[in-house]
Amino acid sequence: DQQVKQNSPSLSVQEGRISILNCDYTNSMFDYFLWYKKYPAEGPTFLISISSIKDKNEDGRFTVFLNKSAKHLSLHIVPSQPGDSAVYFCAASAWGGGADGLTFGKGTHLIIQP
Amino acid sequence: DAGVTQSPTHLIKTRGQQVTLRCSPKSGHDTVSWYQQALGQGPQFIFQYYEEEERQRGNFPDRFSGHQFPNYSSELNVNALLLGDSALYLCASSLRSSGRLNTQYFGPGTRLTVL
Repeated sequence: DQQVKQNSPSLSVQEGRISILNCDYTNSMFDYFLWYKKYPAEGPTFLISISSIKDKNEDGRFTVFLNKSAKHLSLHIVPSQPGDSAVYFCAASAWGGGADGLTFGKGTHLIIQP
Repeated sequence: DAGVTQSPTHLIKTRGQQVTLRCSPKSGHDTVSWYQQALGQGPQFIFQYYEEEERQRGNFPDRFSGHQFPNYSSELNVNALLLGDSALYLCASSLRSSGRLNTQYFGPGTRLTVL
């Protein structure tokens, strides 16, 4: 049973436009959410996170939105740049429940078209 | 500031053999977690070490074991290798005393191929 779902395996966006990556979760114990970016042959790189006490967190071109009632979060990248082409993973943690391991989705491959 | 480092980069083993992978955490971090990433999948949590003890474990058999040393570095051991153990093994470090914000930083991974 997949507790974190990224339903779009790939997404193609034009350079300069907004990229929106989506993630859904099922476990109500999750209270901390993270986005990672991964290039081939490298480990995941931490991008941005959000605690369940917030509904939005911004860091430069990256904004994460959390809708707890819908168990949904999204990552917005504005404006999209060629270097943003990578696989993006959504991850969740239930620290309060004592489960410190991150639960990941399967990833979305973002392709930025020039 | 050194990030998370892992060794070796690549490894080829045969079924039934045993393997040891190594990880050094980011400077200042005290907690190490291990993940397995199969092709086309997201990383799956194996276990986490803090204060030289296994604190949490994911859904992996006892063939997977680990160790954390006093300098916070860690090893992942896999016994009786199966073809299905072929994957990218990722180590992540974090600072447990940072409180609820469980941000983990990943190393480049070790690619294990079992023939």
